[in-house]
Amino acid sequence: SQQGEEDPQALSIQEGENATMNCSYKTSINNLQWYRQNSGRGLVHLILIRSNEREKHSGRLRVTLDTSKKSSSLLITASRAADTASYFCATDALTGGGNKLTFGTGTQLKVEL
Amino acid sequence: DAGITQSPRYKITETGRQVTLMCHQTWSHSYMFWYRQDLGHGLRLIYYSAAADITDKGEVPDGYVVSRSKTENFPLTLESATRSQTSVYFCASSEGARQPQHFGDGTRLSIL
Repeated sequence: SQQGEEDPQALSIQEGENATMNCSYKTSINNLQWYRQNSGRGLVHLILIRSNEREKHSGRLRVTLDTSKKSSSLLITASRAADTASYFCATDALTGGGNKLTFGTGTQLKVEL
Repeated sequence: DAGITQSPRYKITETGRQVTLMCHQTWSHSYMFWYRQDLGHGLRLIYYSAAADITDKGEVPDGYVVSRSKTENFPLTLESATRSQTSVYFCASSEGARQPQHFGDGTRLSIL
């Protein structure tokens, strides 16, 4: 079963608007990562947030983590058409997960001109 | 150029055939991973390797075999392909188990 579940499954916005995607997970984690996947390509790592961090920024990306709610959000500000992609969260379980990440099913973001 | 490359990019084969997907990375990363990506399932881990000659099962290992005789290569073999193994396969590598992973561009495999 998936450790992370993204919400919404699909999101369509206009260029310049902000896009927010959410990820919920089930077990305690060491860290949570967000990835982007453009159509027909592999995943690209965006940002990693550790379990003792609450917020992290990278350019137009802002990630928050609420370990009490077992959830994270990815905010893309001032979106561009080039941000059109699928976005995945990935978690590594604190215990029992082994040396690996578990990916969610992703949010498909479409940014329209 | 440094990176991770998968070959072939596209493959069509028939049920019962053996097929091997190749993965090569130039970073000397310790960890390598194989995933399959299917609609509605996201990425599911098939096998991973912590170092040369060390491999371990992931979530969906049945029907697949891996080996890692060299750090840079991590081939995935379907010994007797089935239609349910039609999927897009991604290889990834990372410096450490919980570190960011670097992905190849995938192999789209169709089994008829």
